Amino acid sequence: SAVISQKPSRDICQRGTSLTIQCQVDSQVTMMFWYRQQPGQSLTLIATANQGSEATYESGFVIDKFPISRPNLTFSTLTVSNMSPEDSSIYLCSVPSRTGDEQFFGPGTRLTVL
Amino acid sequence: GENVEQHPSTLSVQEGDSAVIKCTYSDSASNYFPWYKQELGKRPQLIIDIRSNVGEKKDQRIAVTLNKTAKHFSLHITETQPEDSAVYFCAASSHFGNEKLTFGTGTRLTIIP
Repeated sequence: SAVISQKPSRDICQRGTSLTIQCQVDSQVTMMFWYRQQPGQSLTLIATANQGSEATYESGFVIDKFPISRPNLTFSTLTVSNMSPEDSSIYLCSVPSRTGDEQFFGPGTRLTVL
Repeated sequence: GENVEQHPSTLSVQEGDSAVIKCTYSDSASNYFPWYKQELGKRPQLIIDIRSNVGEKKDQRIAVTLNKTAKHFSLHITETQPEDSAVYFCAASSHFGNEKLTFGTGTRLTIIP
């Protein structure tokens, strides 16, 4: 499986500010996915990050709130903008395996908004 | 879009007994059904998956069954051990790992020593 890293691993932020989360993979991947896991909840897809084109957002998530960059096939960023306490969650990136048969998750970024 | 339901939300099992978690899905185009285990403070870890052309798959103490007609799939853990305690998520996808996953709501499994 791919080695996936995320930065930062955790952060505490003030409301109204923005945080950019990085996801780095040790191999080139076609798709990268960003999920949110609210406290005690399941995982919900925010968007699919496509290299060379704009991200595809799921219902309920908008680019102004969660802008995504995908400058190359091994890296992506997710920004959580104008944060409120409701944005306190774990944010995870995931990528397909080399064969595309499975999907693996990064370690996650635990965000707390005060 | 796809909708995945998962039951039960919590499950307590005596050590050594079996545990079963069930999921249903709505989209007949889904063809890939992974199960993830998430321990406290850690990332979801893929433990087993099944594709729509297979009815059952087994890996040591873990097995998954799929009923395409009824659109449901289940995780079976036999001879449970304390380290099996975790939250388990089922998911569905229409293109294996290359497509977004829709997750169930999760099952908190507790193994009682």
